Amino acid sequence: DAMVIQNPRYQVTQFGKPVTLSCSQTLNHNVMYWYQQKSSQAPKLLFHYYDKDFNNEADTPDNFQSRRPNTSFCFLDIRSPGLGDAAMYLCATSRDLEGRSYNEQFFGPGTRLTVL
Amino acid sequence: GQNIDQPTEMTATEGAIVQINCTYQTSGFNGLFWYQQHAGEAPTFLSYNVLDGLEEKGRFSSFLSRSKGYSYLLLKELQMKDSASYLCAVVDSNYQLIWGAGTKLIIKP
Repeated sequence: DAMVIQNPRYQVTQFGKPVTLSCSQTLNHNVMYWYQQKSSQAPKLLFHYYDKDFNNEADTPDNFQSRRPNTSFCFLDIRSPGLGDAAMYLCATSRDLEGRSYNEQFFGPGTRLTVL
Repeated sequence: GQNIDQPTEMTATEGAIVQINCTYQTSGFNGLFWYQQHAGEAPTFLSYNVLDGLEEKGRFSSFLSRSKGYSYLLLKELQMKDSASYLCAVVDSNYQLIWGAGTKLIIKP
């Protein structure tokens, strides 16, 4: 089945220790998103790739970086995690034209990050 | 600013009907999504409305009034598995998706 996969499902890191979360998709969608979601809050868009074009949200901290080496894979790097970065990180994909978000997004199962 | 308002939490009884409301103030409108999210899991797509009126899909229906900036999700014949958060999200004039915080629906036997 075509799907969005995230690894690991649970990640524990220490304060300030870099961590990388991964996302892969078999849907062949051209857009990939990274969201941060804290308990009982709306998903917060960190950045997205429309094909190879990287789009950073204005309020995404510099501590967060992303890479998309090919259509199928996308990575979220947190360079120096703080306690406030503990959250669920969701990867999503969509097939959209010209960066327009009008098609449904398909989400991976998420990675729950704990910072000690 | 852009804003999506939903009730924080609702409670309903198994077998009953519940309506979850969403009001929005956004810079433009290019469609509205409803997603279901079970605790600790990713959101899954339920419906998309871009024209006024009611869209029915099995036990779930979604309604939109663009002039009122208002939508609702109607769930019929509630089942215990419908206990989840329901997220409303609006596509604005820049074709960006603006998310609500979600409504936590609790189903009681």
